[in-house]
Order: sequence, then structure tokens, then C-alpha cells
Amino acid sequence: QQPVQSPQAVILREGEDAVINCSSSKALYSVHWYRQKHGEAPVFLMILLKGGEQKGHDKISASFNEKKQQSSLYLTASQLSYSGTYFCGTETSNQAGTALIFGKGTTLSVSS
Amino acid sequence: GAGVSQSPSNKVTEKGKDVELRCDPISGHTALYWYRQRLGQGLEFLIYFQGNSAPDKSGLPSDRFSAERTGESVSTLTIQRTQQEDSAVYLCASSTGKNPEYNEQFFGPGTRLTVL
Repeated sequence: QQPVQSPQAVILREGEDAVINCSSSKALYSVHWYRQKHGEAPVFLMILLKGGEQKGHDKISASFNEKKQQSSLYLTASQLSYSGTYFCGTETSNQAGTALIFGKGTTLSVSS
Repeated sequence: GAGVSQSPSNKVTEKGKDVELRCDPISGHTALYWYRQRLGQGLEFLIYFQGNSAPDKSGLPSDRFSAERTGESVSTLTIQRTQQEDSAVYLCASSTGKNPEYNEQFFGPGTRLTVL
């Protein structure tokens, strides 16, 4: 089952914050977040595992609520470089290398 | 090589022709994935290979699509009797497949397929 991302699109000015949500109808083992800039391949941001801690680097962090089968990606003090489409990918198994099922993406546009 | 490579980068073909897309994963990565991305759309899972296990073909949209992988190296995605709706960017990704904590997928640049 494909996870559902919301919102579909976000428009921000530099310095503003955003939250992107990813929810699943199935119990999840892990959630992965990727960012794809226009015309480029997706690039890994972070993995959150069941029972794991909230992750983050720079001003991008994420949480994983296993009970609600949801993950949220937090972008604080956004920069122009944050623009792109953000995808969450979910795994329902703890077997290494399990295929990810990606959501449809959230497009983030940051302007100066 | 340093990353995942794919060839060709662009492919234009006529409806009804067969095409082969190639993916070279990162050396040592046992897991390999194929995704399809239509214009402005998300990543659609097609097929996944993990070591010597039987591939997960659950995402292949029709029997016109098939993929092979030689050991833990090169993979080819074949689309027979191409249709216009097959037009998309086909992305390949690989991962170590060993530890979920580090199961980051590394994506190739993709092959843009256009079916006329």
C-alpha cells in the first residue's frame, strides 16, 4: 500500500518552517525520506526505524510515530537549497534490502 | 565506479519496439531496485533483486516488462512492444542490503524513455 503524503505542495519564503507528513495504512518497520531536485535523481535524507530515535541533521529532522503509522519531516529556517520534491518510502518488513514503497511526493518551493 | 550508472541516458523509440535499459550498481551492493517515474509523478516500484534470492516482481505493470540481474552486478530492464504510456524516467537504485539502519538507496541518474 502506497503511503500518503501531505501536503502535496508547500510554498515558503527563506527562513520559514515546514512540516511534511507521511502516513500508512499498514504497520511500518521503517520510513525513509528522500529529496529530488528537478531533473535529478532522488537523494537520501534519513531513515527512521521502529523503536528508533528522532533523526536529524542540519535543520532537517524527522519523527516516526509507530502507533499512528506516521512520519513527519521538519524543515526549519528553510533555505533556497531545500526546494525540491520530498518523498517518503516505507518498509513493512525488517528484512534488510526490502523494497521501498514511495509516496507521491510533496513539492517544496522556497523563494527569497 | 563511484555511483550507480545507467545507460542510455535517453532513449527514443517507436511504439511496438523492444528496449533494454541497463543499470550498473555500486560495487558490493547486493540489493538492486528499478522504479518508474512518469512526468511530475512519484516513484513507482517495479522490481527488486536481493542477492541470490528470487526477485520481487510485484511492481511490474504487465508481462511486457521483465528484468534480469547477473549475480550481484549489472541489471537490465526490458520492455517489449513498447506503448506510449511506457514513456517515463526509469530509475535504478542499489543498497548494501545488509543492515536496515544503513539501507540507504543510492539512485542512478535514470534513463528517459520516450515512445513515439
